[in-house]
Amino acid sequence: GENVEQHPSTLSVQEGDSAVIKCTYSDSASNYFPWYKQELGKRPQLIIDIRSNVGEKKDQRIAVTLNKTAKHFSLHITETQPEDSAVYFCAARYGGGGADGLTFGKGTHLIIQP
Amino acid sequence: DAGVIQSPRHEVTEMGQEVTLRCKPISGHNSLFWYRQTMMRGLELLIYFNNNVPIDDSGMPEDRFSAKMPNASFSTLKIQPSEPRDSAVYFCASSPSQGLGLDTEAFFGQGTRLTVV
Repeated sequence: GENVEQHPSTLSVQEGDSAVIKCTYSDSASNYFPWYKQELGKRPQLIIDIRSNVGEKKDQRIAVTLNKTAKHFSLHITETQPEDSAVYFCAARYGGGGADGLTFGKGTHLIIQP
Repeated sequence: DAGVIQSPRHEVTEMGQEVTLRCKPISGHNSLFWYRQTMMRGLELLIYFNNNVPIDDSGMPEDRFSAKMPNASFSTLKIQPSEPRDSAVYFCASSPSQGLGLDTEAFFGQGTRLTVV
């Protein structure tokens, strides 16, 4: 099965600065890579995703990059704001079929310092 | 749509008791997933169903755990007997993906916080 590693486990940045979270995956057959944001006591919610036929995707202040050769992908948040404080999870879907379960990284606790 | 609905939101039970967690996926979604979240292990996939059929239960930790999906709108996760180490937040998620490479996001329910004392 798939194995997803995520770093760092905790990231503290000043408000307005950028934050970068990195993930690696093990199964070269994985082709779907979503990022979820989980606020304290709430459910994980999708913020952005990327498929293996795309190298980069951007949505306002967030962007995701994918390097299939190296099997790693990253989340970039620019101009961070207090409401960005949360736990972020990367995930990979193995097997190439849409019905397969997502394998999640351990999460990154992002802290935005005022 | 109300989203994925889980019940109960909180459950406190004594060790050895049977616990049943319930999930109603989003109407029209044909994939359903059960996850367990703990501080130590993060989000772990326990089992998932496609068109009500269990596809992969390799994440189920022990025989004490079982899951069913009798129809497209309902699933249960049962722990019998429960143990303190089962304490965690259990999430159900559903996805409209068709198993044909049409990868789409998984929508999570609010979760059930289980405490076994």
